[in-house]
Amino acid sequence: EMQLVESGGGLVQPGGSLRLSCVASGFTFRDYVITWVRQAPGKGLEWVSAVSGSGATTYYADSVKGRFTISRDNSRKTVDLEMNSLRAEDTAVYYCAKDSYYDSSGSDAFDVWGQGTVVNVSS
Amino acid sequence: QSALSQPPSASGSPGQSVTISCTGTSRDIGTYNYVSWYQHHPGKAPKLMIYEVTKRPSGVPDRFSGSKSGNTASLTVSGLQAEDEADYYCSSYRGSGNWGVFGGGTKLTV
Repeated sequence: EMQLVESGGGLVQPGGSLRLSCVASGFTFRDYVITWVRQAPGKGLEWVSAVSGSGATTYYADSVKGRFTISRDNSRKTVDLEMNSLRAEDTAVYYCAKDSYYDSSGSDAFDVWGQGTVVNVSS
Repeated sequence: QSALSQPPSASGSPGQSVTISCTGTSRDIGTYNYVSWYQHHPGKAPKLMIYEVTKRPSGVPDRFSGSKSGNTASLTVSGLQAEDEADYYCSSYRGSGNWGVFGGGTKLTV
């Protein structure tokens, strides 16, 4: 069974940092882009960041560019999201998700999602 | 403001059908046959219900169907069941280097 499990969420003060992790199992990890998608309280889904299968190419939403860094370790089947200079508007449930397509360079279809980890940015 | 436009709410009685629309532009829905729909129950992981406009992943009931006309895609849920009550999000491909262009979501009440 394909599975993703997130961890690392918590309460952090504005301006602080947090590192989220996503561990995969049940599929050939290196073949697929992994993305982070978030949902702020009362809001819809917002794509945050993506990393190619090799880890060589990364993508960011304008709202997090320069503050968040995505990376992956294919030997450990993990994807990390390093979040710096956090703001109140970054408060959300953060999901990692697997792209449906092999080695794609852009997608709208994510077929495996984790249960999410909660990030609360507040003083 | 979301890149794709969805009605905030929709409703239907058990056994009825309901259609949720998703309006984009010629940059996304109007050009590419890559539209996905997700079902999201609060507190759970979103679930892919439709991809490539009309295709259903394994395990998704055939009560769920997708279509597209011009810049607008639609999700139809037939034979509504209580467990269909959830938030539904559309998403469209927008070319290489673009990921997860989502609609604002539609809350379906059964």
